Amino acid sequence: NAGVTQTPKFRILKIGQSMTLQCTQDMNHNYMYWYRQDPGMGLKLIYYSVGAGITDKGEVPNGYNVSRSTTEDFPLRLELAAPSQTSVYFCASSPRTGPEQYFGPGTRLTVT
Amino acid sequence: EDQVTQSPEALRLQEGESSSLNCSYTVSGLRGLFWYRQDPGKGPEFLFTLYSAGEEKEKERLKATLTKKESFLHITAPKPEDSATYLCAVQDTGGFKTIFGAGTRLFVKA
Repeated sequence: NAGVTQTPKFRILKIGQSMTLQCTQDMNHNYMYWYRQDPGMGLKLIYYSVGAGITDKGEVPNGYNVSRSTTEDFPLRLELAAPSQTSVYFCASSPRTGPEQYFGPGTRLTVT
Repeated sequence: EDQVTQSPEALRLQEGESSSLNCSYTVSGLRGLFWYRQDPGKGPEFLFTLYSAGEEKEKERLKATLTKKESFLHITAPKPEDSATYLCAVQDTGGFKTIFGAGTRLFVKA
């Protein structure tokens, strides 16, 4: 199994541009999450989903949007990128049977 | 408000020198406390879940313990390959949101 995969690995955006970070899991997990990780800070939850068609805001949702049309995919959309969105983004998933989360390799995003 | 504080921020050990990492937490109702390992440039890797005070879990040289206010990750006779950042996180009974600490960076020198 591939687990949780994320694309792209790296991206540089100009201020005001938009992009979509892709996340796919092949473990048939119901729950999926998006986090951002800034240097010296803990992971901050952006959005999460408890199943296809159901999403909710986390701690830091401003400037982001998500959708969940299938169990496998949970893309994160950045509209009008700002320097404050420079970070490493991690997607994670967890099964219905347990709270532990399985993380993807991350996307390093720089906005200049 | 749920909160997780990890100490120390960084820990340097010699190979074979045992030590402990601390995770203090505040949560209205604990669903689970988690420990993850994160290597540079990679996503966190799940290690343990602890559910109630007094619980202990072990994996190779790592042992995690839980009280009502804190958790410890004990590292016995560490090796250089144990060098990583160790993250602690809590999830409360109210929902799916998980709060992470900033982590402890562990360096083990041969």
